[in-house]
Amino acid sequence: SAVISQKPSRDICQRGTSLTIQCQVDSQVTMMFWYRQQPGQSLTLIATANQGSEATYESGFVIDKFPISRPNLTFSTLTVSNMSPEDSSIYLCSVIPPGQIDGYTFGSGTRLTVV
Amino acid sequence: AQSVTQLDSQVPVFEEAPVELRCNYSSSVSVYLFWYVQYPNQGLQLLLKYLSGSTLVESINGFEAEFNKSQTSFHLRKPSVHISDTAEYFCAVSGGSNYKLTFGKGTLLTVNP
Repeated sequence: SAVISQKPSRDICQRGTSLTIQCQVDSQVTMMFWYRQQPGQSLTLIATANQGSEATYESGFVIDKFPISRPNLTFSTLTVSNMSPEDSSIYLCSVIPPGQIDGYTFGSGTRLTVV
Repeated sequence: AQSVTQLDSQVPVFEEAPVELRCNYSSSVSVYLFWYVQYPNQGLQLLLKYLSGSTLVESINGFEAEFNKSQTSFHLRKPSVHISDTAEYFCAVSGGSNYKLTFGKGTLLTVNP
């Protein structure tokens, strides 16, 4: 399975600022996703990061708040913009290597606290 | 659209007791089913999965889950739990061509001595 390096692992940010989270994979992957896990809650899909085109956002998530870049098949970033305390969550990157439907792999997550 | 319901938010048990964590799903297409585990302050790890074939799937640490299509369930069981099994367990479903995972709300399993 793919190995994911996600940075930063945690951060404490001031409200109104933005944070960019990086997801680096050790192999080329077609499917890459960003999830959010709010305190005490399950994982919610934010968007599918598409290589070379705009991300596909789930209901309730918008590009202005969570801009995503996917410049190649091994790297993606998620930015949490104009943060508020409600954005305090764990953000996770997930990938599926080509042809491996059972190969969902998750990064270790970024624990974000907004103060 | 697909959804997952984990019927129990918390399950406290004593060490060496059996446990069952319940999961029901709904989907309009054929599904793949997963159980993930999240130990305290750690990332998400795949515990076991059902893709096709035998409806009973097992993990390396003694957990098993059975896919029941008629009851749309994928309950997780272990005959004898250890304190180290204390963790949050998430059931997830994927279906169709978009490969998106939909998670249940999770079940916190607490194993007491």
